[in-house]
Amino acid sequence: EAGVTQSPTHLIKTRGQQVTLRCSPISGHTSVYWYQQALGLGLQFLLWYDEGEERNRGNFPPRFSGRQFPNYSSELNVNALELEDSALYLCASSPGQFGGNEQFFGPGTRLTVL
Amino acid sequence: AQRVTQPEKLLSVFKGAPVELKCNYSYSGSPELFWYVQYSRQRLQLLLRHISRESIKGFTADLNKGETSFHLKKPFAQEEDSAMYYCALSGQGAQKLVFGQGTRLTINP
Repeated sequence: EAGVTQSPTHLIKTRGQQVTLRCSPISGHTSVYWYQQALGLGLQFLLWYDEGEERNRGNFPPRFSGRQFPNYSSELNVNALELEDSALYLCASSPGQFGGNEQFFGPGTRLTVL
Repeated sequence: AQRVTQPEKLLSVFKGAPVELKCNYSYSGSPELFWYVQYSRQRLQLLLRHISRESIKGFTADLNKGETSFHLKKPFAQEEDSAMYYCALSGQGAQKLVFGQGTRLTINP
């Protein structure tokens, strides 16, 4: 069974640009989570989508946004990039609100902002 | 507020010695507790969850609600246990995970 996949693997952008990261969950999973792992800050929760709806949002500014598609894949968009957005962005999926909370993680997208 | 504290950033033990990675949490309610592990060049993966009460790769963890702790233990460390370990909690049901800062465990031969 294929695990959670993310693309791209690496990305280099400059300040002020916009970026889109993509995530495909495990087949049958309806919940997708996004986390940011910045150096020295650990894993911080960004967003949770389930059944196409945003269910929860972490303490991040509005320039971090996303969506979930009918096939349950998800995008994370970051506008007006800042240097401190440089981080590893992890996507995770789980069976959904009624399927338990074991989350399965993807390999991550490493974003570097210059 | 939801918070997970892993007091040790680094932990180094010899092969065959017992290992204990500490985790304390703060949560108003009944949390679900997890241990995740990240081996070198691999993705983050679930090691243990408190509700399953399993022993995985020789590791166990007991939820102590009185001390709000969920320490990870293994009686005899092996070199392949060297990895980054994260303690995490969530509320009941499918919800976000709150992670500790992680402990890098190194097993010396």
